[in-house]
Amino acid sequence: QQQVKQSPQSLIVQKGGISIINCAYENTAFDYFPWYQQFPGKGPALLIAIRPDVSEKKEGRFTISFNKSAKQFSLHIMDSQPGDSATYFCAATRRGYSGAGSYQLTFGKGTKLSVIP
Amino acid sequence: NAGVTQTPKFQVLKTGQSMTLQCAQDMNHNSMYWYRQDPGMGLRLIYYSASEGTTDKGEVPNGYNVSRLNKREFSLRLESAAPSQTSVYFCASRPGQGPSNTEAFFGQGTRLTVV
Repeated sequence: QQQVKQSPQSLIVQKGGISIINCAYENTAFDYFPWYQQFPGKGPALLIAIRPDVSEKKEGRFTISFNKSAKQFSLHIMDSQPGDSATYFCAATRRGYSGAGSYQLTFGKGTKLSVIP
Repeated sequence: NAGVTQTPKFQVLKTGQSMTLQCAQDMNHNSMYWYRQDPGMGLRLIYYSASEGTTDKGEVPNGYNVSRLNKREFSLRLESAAPSQTSVYFCASRPGQGPSNTEAFFGQGTRLTVV
């Protein structure tokens, strides 16, 4: 049972274009929504994150849009560059089962972004 | 800054063999996680540990055991490896103080092949 659904699986964008990746969730217990970026041969690294009481967060060329009522959130990459070519994962956090401080971090299946010159 | 260190980086096992994947973090984080990454499947949580002495199952715990040896170290053991456990395994840690502090730091991964 996939708790965080991510689309598209792959995305090709021209340099300077806008890359858009979408995610949806069902579990209302999720309370934080980070995006991770992964380059080949490396571990994922946090890119940007948003709390559910905020509808939009922008950091440089990266923006998260969050729609709590629709249980959807998306990553927009403006002025996409070849260096942005990577796999992007949306994720969601909810409290785990071991009391205070216990949080599960659940990932979507990832989107492989290729930015072509 | 070492961050999260995983050993080994690569491993080939025969079906039925056992091995332990090691993970250590030097950031004084409370929570640690083990994920496996398979093509088209994203990162799936195997086990996690909120603090020393506690462990919880994730999405795909079958065939694995974990030990939170101390605050720094969280190991993943395959008792009898199967080809279905061929994957890239990632260890991660996070401060664990609450959802607003959710950045997880990942190791470089262990690429495991079971033949």
